[in-house]
Amino acid sequence: NAGVMQNPRHLVRRRGQEARLRCSPMKGHSHVYWYRQLPEEGLKFMVYLQKENIIDESGMPKERFSAEFPKEGPSILRIQQVVRGDSAAYFCASSPPEGNYGYTFGSGTRLTVV
Amino acid sequence: AQSVTQLGSHVSVSEGALVLLRCNYSSSVPPYLFWYVQYPNQGLQLLLKYTSAATLVKGINGFEAEFKKSETSFHLTKPSAHMSDAAEYFCAVRRGFGNEKLTFGTGTRLTIIP
Repeated sequence: NAGVMQNPRHLVRRRGQEARLRCSPMKGHSHVYWYRQLPEEGLKFMVYLQKENIIDESGMPKERFSAEFPKEGPSILRIQQVVRGDSAAYFCASSPPEGNYGYTFGSGTRLTVV
Repeated sequence: AQSVTQLGSHVSVSEGALVLLRCNYSSSVPPYLFWYVQYPNQGLQLLLKYTSAATLVKGINGFEAEFKKSETSFHLTKPSAHMSDAAEYFCAVRRGFGNEKLTFGTGTRLTIIP
């Protein structure tokens, strides 16, 4: 039973480019969460999605960031026109429909903007 | 609103000594509390969780934590540190057991001295 799969593990983008981060939840999990970890900081909530629905995006920056979780395929976190400050580790977590006391996290995507 | 505060961003203990990592929470409703561990360049792994069933919670790798409502604390302990315990530890809080976001502390980096 594969865990939460994130790819790529490392992503390098030049300023102004787009970054697309992918997250495949655990089998049977229909809820996905994205968190961002800046250097020397804890994880900050970004967005919570169910299939085809954004449930809570209170942690998403208002511009350049978007997320989706289509009916088929992985969840995508998209960052347009990346800037140096977007450099961080982005973690995805998933949970089953009935809720859970704790999520399962992926290994993260480390984005470096040069 | 909910929050957690982790006292001490860096903690060093000798191998075989007691490990104590501090976490205090703030919550307007009965909280659900978690401890996660993060090894370098990896995702987060759930160590243990408090869900109101028992105040003393035992987790993996010999760790345990005690929920103290009067002190609004959920400190993590391990009687005897092992070199493999060196990692970053995060305390987190959530409102319920359903599908809601986690709010993380800023983390404590644990170093084990041989």
